[in-house]
Amino acid sequence: VGLVASGGALVQPGGSLRLSCAASGFTFSRYEMNWVRQAPGKGLECVSYMSTSGTTIYYADSVKGRFTMSRDNAENSLYLQMDSLRVEDTAIYYCVRDLGEAATLGVFDFWGQGTVVTVSS
Amino acid sequence: EMVMTQSPATLSVSPGDRATLTCRASQSVSRYLAWYQRRPGQAPSLLIYSTSTRATGIPARFSGSGSGTEYTLTISSLQSEDFAIYYCQQYYNWPWTFGQGTKVEMK
Repeated sequence: VGLVASGGALVQPGGSLRLSCAASGFTFSRYEMNWVRQAPGKGLECVSYMSTSGTTIYYADSVKGRFTMSRDNAENSLYLQMDSLRVEDTAIYYCVRDLGEAATLGVFDFWGQGTVVTVSS
Repeated sequence: EMVMTQSPATLSVSPGDRATLTCRASQSVSRYLAWYQRRPGQAPSLLIYSTSTRATGIPARFSGSGSGTEYTLTISSLQSEDFAIYYCQQYYNWPWTFGQGTKVEMK
């Protein structure tokens, strides 16, 4: 199983970034996916969740209206469009796979290595 | 948002010792509770879900228990590779939330 996140960068407050996650080694279309972040010195925060088909999406209140999650099952790829970025969005962003068993929505069985987003002027 | 509180923040133990980590939820999570291990420089990895089910490949020295708002991760005999940070996480309702972590360090 491979999850390689990319797209992290240094961006000014108010700017935009698009994170990508390339999945390999498993049937991507059969798994719910997530973005989880960890800010410096802070805990782990679930940013967004997407169902296999993309029809159900959850967002953390802290990013609702600013971030948009999407997926391309044909390309085995996950995305996070991040707009109106704030200093507090500075974090490592992890692309994370859901376990995919019954009654385990929200259990994360594989994490990519993460991509660093820094929001600073 | 459900708050998960882990204790202790740091646990100093010797190899071969038993370690007991606690996680308390601000309201019942109905056993929708997972534990993750995080070694330095690595992303977290799944240890246990549904309170007590070990993930694939996890050795039997790791066990979980609990109900309602109180949960426990026990490592029966610590090995050198077990010194790490451990996080609990509830997935009972969104947003799924993590505890702040317990660092298990060598005494």
